Amino acid sequence: NAGVTQTPKFRILKIGQSMTLQCTQDMNHNYMYWYRQDPGMGLKLIYYSVGAGITDKGEVPNGYNVSRSTTEDFPLRLELAAPSQTSVYFCASSDPVTGNTIYFGEGSWLTVV
Amino acid sequence: AQSVTQLGSHVSVSEGALVLLRCNYSSSVPPYLFWYVQYPNQGLQLLLKYTTGATLVKGINGFEAEFKKSETSFHLTKPSAHMSDAAEYFCAVSDQLRGGGNKLTFGTGSQLKVEL
Repeated sequence: NAGVTQTPKFRILKIGQSMTLQCTQDMNHNYMYWYRQDPGMGLKLIYYSVGAGITDKGEVPNGYNVSRSTTEDFPLRLELAAPSQTSVYFCASSDPVTGNTIYFGEGSWLTVV
Repeated sequence: AQSVTQLGSHVSVSEGALVLLRCNYSSSVPPYLFWYVQYPNQGLQLLLKYTTGATLVKGINGFEAEFKKSETSFHLTKPSAHMSDAAEYFCAVSDQLRGGGNKLTFGTGSQLKVEL
């Protein structure tokens, strides 16, 4: 029972580099999300998707891009990494059949130096 | 807009003592409310949720929470703390997103410390 799987777990990036955080879920959920968690703060929604081919911005989308080509996968791309993007990133998924429960991945710790 | 306030960013209890973590919310519609737990370097795990129906909700690991509409509160309790309960706890309120899905608005978290 894998649930929501994120890779990599840890990554250090230099300013200006690009990278993609991978996320896949095996629960056939329609809705997927990317959140970021900064120290002492709750999680903030970056982007979300309601199904393959459909994505929309959350609260803090600047500096990120997403795509959803399949139900299972929802990668998050950082194009030009900045120190302000140092954070912990969580991918999550849900579906109406789960009764509005959102299931989270284990997180990806990203440091931009 | 939805909001969540968690009073007490750091809460310390003795093992065996009552755990009380406070959560107040602001919502313009009947809320869906959640408590999540996060252990160090791990993701968030759902403890319990309130959607409709019974206002006293029981979750995993002996935790429960009561939805009180008049007080706009959803406090988390556990009668007897265990060392393994040491973690960070997040209260969240759910709002529907455009097109479907649910956005969780989180509180800033309560770090629970359990002492011998």
